[in-house]
Amino acid sequence: AQKVTQAQTEISVVEKEDVTLDCVYETRDTTYYLFWYKQPPSGELVFLIRRNSFDEQNEISGRYSWNFQKSTSSFNFTITASQVVDSAVYFCALSEPTTSGTYKYIFGTGTRLKVLA
Amino acid sequence: ETGVTQTPRHLVMGMTNKKSLKCEQHLGHNAMYWYKQSAKKPLELMFVYNFKEQTENNSVPSRFSPECPNSSHLFLHLHTLQPEDSALYLCASSQAGVIGYNEQFFGPGTRLTVL
Repeated sequence: AQKVTQAQTEISVVEKEDVTLDCVYETRDTTYYLFWYKQPPSGELVFLIRRNSFDEQNEISGRYSWNFQKSTSSFNFTITASQVVDSAVYFCALSEPTTSGTYKYIFGTGTRLKVLA
Repeated sequence: ETGVTQTPRHLVMGMTNKKSLKCEQHLGHNAMYWYKQSAKKPLELMFVYNFKEQTENNSVPSRFSPECPNSSHLFLHLHTLQPEDSALYLCASSQAGVIGYNEQFFGPGTRLTVL
Protein backbone atom coordinates (compact mmCIF):
# COMPACT_ATOMS: atom_id res chain seq x y z
CA ALA A 1 0.00 0.00 0.00
CA GLN A 2 1.21 3.48 -0.77
CA LYS A 3 2.31 5.46 2.22
CA VAL A 4 1.54 8.80 0.61
CA THR A 5 -1.53 8.90 -1.60
CA GLN A 6 -2.40 11.72 -3.90
CA ALA A 7 -5.54 10.40 -5.49
CA GLN A 8 -5.96 13.30 -7.89
CA THR A 9 -3.71 12.66 -10.86
CA GLU A 10 -4.63 15.82 -12.70
CA ILE A 11 -6.84 18.81 -11.96
CA SER A 12 -7.83 21.60 -14.31
CA VAL A 13 -9.33 24.84 -13.07
CA VAL A 14 -10.02 28.22 -14.54
CA GLU A 15 -7.99 31.13 -13.29
CA LYS A 16 -9.27 32.67 -10.02
CA GLU A 17 -10.93 29.46 -8.93
CA ASP A 18 -9.94 27.90 -5.63
CA VAL A 19 -8.51 24.40 -5.76
CA THR A 20 -7.63 21.83 -3.11
CA LEU A 21 -5.02 19.14 -3.59
CA ASP A 22 -5.49 16.10 -1.40
CA CYS A 23 -2.81 14.14 0.41
CA VAL A 24 -3.39 11.12 2.64
CA TYR A 25 -0.49 9.47 4.40
CA GLU A 26 0.12 6.33 6.37
CA THR A 27 2.63 5.89 9.19
CA ARG A 28 2.91 4.10 12.51
CA ASP A 29 5.33 6.62 13.94
CA THR A 30 4.30 9.38 16.27
CA THR A 31 7.10 11.68 15.13
CA TYR A 32 7.14 12.46 11.44
CA TYR A 33 7.16 15.38 9.06
CA LEU A 34 4.99 16.26 6.11
CA PHE A 35 5.97 18.40 3.16
CA TRP A 36 4.58 19.89 -0.01
CA TYR A 37 6.75 20.57 -3.02
CA LYS A 38 5.97 22.21 -6.34
CA GLN A 39 7.54 21.02 -9.59
CA PRO A 40 7.16 23.61 -12.37
CA PRO A 41 7.88 22.70 -15.99
CA SER A 42 11.55 23.59 -15.48
CA GLY A 43 11.89 20.40 -13.46
CA GLU A 44 13.31 21.22 -10.05
CA LEU A 45 11.08 20.61 -7.06
CA VAL A 46 10.59 23.64 -4.88
CA PHE A 47 9.87 23.34 -1.18
CA LEU A 48 6.60 24.94 -0.08
CA ILE A 49 5.90 23.90 3.49
CA ARG A 50 6.81 21.52 6.29
CA ARG A 51 4.67 20.34 9.20
CA ASN A 52 5.73 18.17 12.11
CA SER A 53 3.38 15.60 13.53
CA PHE A 54 2.84 17.52 16.76
CA ASP A 55 1.72 20.71 15.11
CA GLU A 56 -1.78 20.49 13.70
CA GLN A 57 -2.21 24.21 13.28
CA ASN A 58 -3.31 25.14 9.83
CA GLU A 59 -1.07 27.50 7.95
CA ILE A 60 -1.73 30.25 5.47
CA SER A 61 0.87 31.86 3.26
CA GLY A 62 -0.59 34.32 0.82
CA ARG A 63 -2.88 32.41 -1.51
CA TYR A 64 -1.67 29.06 -0.17
CA SER A 65 -3.11 27.29 2.85
CA TRP A 66 -2.62 23.88 4.36
CA ASN A 67 -4.97 21.77 6.46
CA PHE A 68 -3.29 19.09 8.57
CA GLN A 69 -5.63 16.61 10.27
CA LYS A 70 -4.09 13.70 12.13
CA SER A 71 -7.49 12.13 12.73
CA THR A 72 -7.86 11.50 9.01
CA SER A 73 -4.13 11.31 8.22
CA SER A 74 -4.52 14.07 5.70
CA PHE A 75 -2.47 17.10 4.77
CA ASN A 76 -4.40 18.98 2.11
CA PHE A 77 -3.22 22.00 0.19
CA THR A 78 -5.53 24.77 -1.03
CA ILE A 79 -4.70 27.47 -3.54
CA THR A 80 -7.07 30.41 -3.41
CA ALA A 81 -7.73 32.48 -6.52
CA SER A 82 -5.50 30.30 -8.67
CA GLN A 83 -3.24 31.82 -11.30
CA VAL A 84 -1.70 30.45 -14.47
CA VAL A 85 1.71 30.48 -12.76
CA ASP A 86 0.39 27.94 -10.28
CA SER A 87 0.35 25.34 -13.05
CA ALA A 88 2.77 22.63 -11.97
CA VAL A 89 2.96 19.18 -10.45
CA TYR A 90 2.56 19.24 -6.69
CA PHE A 91 4.04 16.54 -4.50
CA CYS A 92 3.17 15.65 -0.95
CA ALA A 93 5.90 13.88 1.03
CA LEU A 94 6.26 12.10 4.36
CA SER A 95 9.50 11.89 6.31
CA GLU A 96 9.48 9.11 8.88
CA PRO A 97 12.13 7.33 10.94
CA THR A 98 13.74 4.14 9.70
CA THR A 99 14.98 1.19 11.73
CA SER A 100 18.55 2.39 11.25
CA GLY A 101 17.85 5.67 13.01
CA THR A 102 17.74 7.87 9.94
CA TYR A 103 14.71 9.39 8.29
CA LYS A 104 13.27 8.41 4.94
CA TYR A 105 11.46 10.67 2.54
CA ILE A 106 8.46 9.12 0.79
CA PHE A 107 6.81 11.07 -2.00
CA GLY A 108 3.34 10.71 -3.43
CA THR A 109 2.77 10.34 -7.15
CA GLY A 110 1.98 14.02 -7.51
CA THR A 111 -1.01 16.00 -8.74
CA ARG A 112 -0.69 17.91 -11.99
CA LEU A 113 -2.52 21.21 -11.70
CA LYS A 114 -3.46 23.09 -14.84
CA VAL A 115 -4.77 26.60 -14.41
CA LEU A 116 -6.42 27.88 -17.55
CA ALA A 117 -6.56 31.57 -18.41
CA GLU B 1 25.99 29.45 -9.86
CA THR B 2 23.49 29.11 -7.09
CA GLY B 3 21.40 26.30 -5.68
CA VAL B 4 21.73 22.81 -7.05
CA THR B 5 22.98 22.28 -10.59
CA GLN B 6 22.94 19.11 -12.66
CA THR B 7 24.73 18.22 -15.86
CA PRO B 8 23.95 17.18 -18.44
CA ARG B 9 20.32 18.22 -18.65
CA HIS B 10 19.60 15.63 -21.32
CA LEU B 11 21.39 12.38 -22.07
CA VAL B 12 20.73 9.69 -24.64
CA MET B 13 22.76 6.53 -24.32
CA GLY B 14 22.87 3.01 -25.64
CA MET B 15 22.66 0.01 -23.37
CA THR B 16 26.36 -0.69 -23.66
CA ASN B 17 27.53 2.88 -22.96
CA LYS B 18 29.06 4.21 -19.77
CA LYS B 19 28.13 7.72 -18.73
CA SER B 20 28.04 9.82 -15.58
CA LEU B 21 25.59 12.33 -14.19
CA LYS B 22 26.96 15.20 -12.14
CA CYS B 23 25.36 17.19 -9.37
CA GLU B 24 26.80 20.18 -7.55
CA GLN B 25 25.31 22.16 -4.69
CA HIS B 26 26.34 25.67 -3.68
CA LEU B 27 24.27 25.82 -0.50
CA GLY B 28 26.76 24.57 2.07
CA HIS B 29 24.70 21.45 2.70
CA ASN B 30 26.17 18.17 3.84
CA ALA B 31 23.54 15.68 2.73
CA MET B 32 22.92 14.81 -0.92
CA TYR B 33 20.42 12.55 -2.63
CA TRP B 34 19.69 10.87 -5.95
CA TYR B 35 16.08 10.32 -6.99
CA LYS B 36 14.52 8.67 -10.02
CA GLN B 37 11.33 10.15 -11.40
CA SER B 38 9.38 7.99 -13.84
CA ALA B 39 6.04 8.83 -15.36
CA LYS B 40 3.09 8.15 -13.06
CA LYS B 41 5.26 6.77 -10.26
CA PRO B 42 6.29 8.31 -6.97
CA LEU B 43 9.74 9.81 -6.79
CA GLU B 44 12.03 6.95 -5.91
CA LEU B 45 14.86 7.68 -3.52
CA MET B 46 17.97 5.89 -4.79
CA PHE B 47 20.92 6.96 -2.64
CA VAL B 48 21.64 9.21 0.32
CA TYR B 49 25.00 10.62 1.35
CA ASN B 50 25.69 12.35 4.65
CA PHE B 51 29.06 14.03 5.11
CA LYS B 52 30.31 12.11 2.04
CA GLU B 53 29.30 8.73 3.48
CA GLN B 54 26.61 6.68 1.83
CA THR B 55 23.86 6.13 4.39
CA GLU B 56 21.14 4.73 2.20
CA ASN B 57 20.89 2.54 -0.87
CA ASN B 58 17.32 1.66 -1.72
CA SER B 59 18.02 -1.66 -3.40
CA VAL B 60 19.27 0.08 -6.50
CA PRO B 61 20.71 -2.20 -9.22
CA SER B 62 24.49 -2.21 -9.41
CA ARG B 63 24.41 -0.70 -12.89
CA PHE B 64 23.93 2.57 -11.00
CA SER B 65 27.01 3.52 -9.02
CA PRO B 66 27.08 6.71 -6.93
CA GLU B 67 30.13 8.66 -5.90
CA CYS B 68 30.42 11.54 -3.47
CA PRO B 69 33.97 12.93 -3.43
CA ASN B 70 33.02 15.87 -1.18
CA SER B 71 29.93 17.43 0.35
CA SER B 72 29.34 19.64 -2.68
CA HIS B 73 29.54 17.08 -5.47
CA LEU B 74 27.62 13.94 -6.25
CA PHE B 75 27.95 11.69 -9.26
CA LEU B 76 25.88 8.84 -10.62
CA HIS B 77 27.86 6.51 -12.84
CA LEU B 78 25.80 4.56 -15.33
CA HIS B 79 26.73 1.39 -17.20
CA THR B 80 24.85 -1.28 -19.15
CA LEU B 81 21.51 0.37 -18.49
CA GLN B 82 18.14 -0.92 -19.63
CA PRO B 83 15.43 0.97 -21.52
CA GLU B 84 13.29 0.94 -18.36
CA ASP B 85 15.96 3.06 -16.69
CA SER B 86 14.88 5.97 -18.87
CA ALA B 87 13.61 8.64 -16.48
CA LEU B 88 14.32 12.03 -14.97
CA TYR B 89 17.12 11.76 -12.43
CA LEU B 90 16.95 14.38 -9.74
CA CYS B 91 19.65 15.40 -7.34
CA ALA B 92 18.85 17.11 -4.05
CA SER B 93 20.69 18.42 -1.04
CA SER B 94 19.83 19.39 2.51
CA GLN B 95 21.35 20.11 5.85
CA ALA B 96 22.20 16.93 7.67
CA GLY B 97 21.44 16.65 11.38
CA VAL B 98 17.75 16.01 11.92
CA ILE B 99 17.37 14.81 8.37
CA GLY B 100 13.70 14.15 8.63
CA TYR B 101 13.06 17.77 9.44
CA ASN B 102 15.10 19.49 6.78
CA GLU B 103 13.63 20.39 3.44
CA GLN B 104 15.49 19.31 0.36
CA PHE B 105 16.66 21.55 -2.44
CA PHE B 106 16.44 19.99 -5.87
CA GLY B 107 18.31 20.42 -9.11
CA PRO B 108 16.51 20.60 -12.46
CA GLY B 109 17.25 16.97 -13.24
CA THR B 110 18.85 15.01 -16.05
CA ARG B 111 16.43 13.55 -18.58
CA LEU B 112 17.93 10.17 -19.44
CA THR B 113 16.88 8.09 -22.42
CA VAL B 114 18.29 4.60 -22.83
CA LEU B 115 17.98 3.18 -26.31
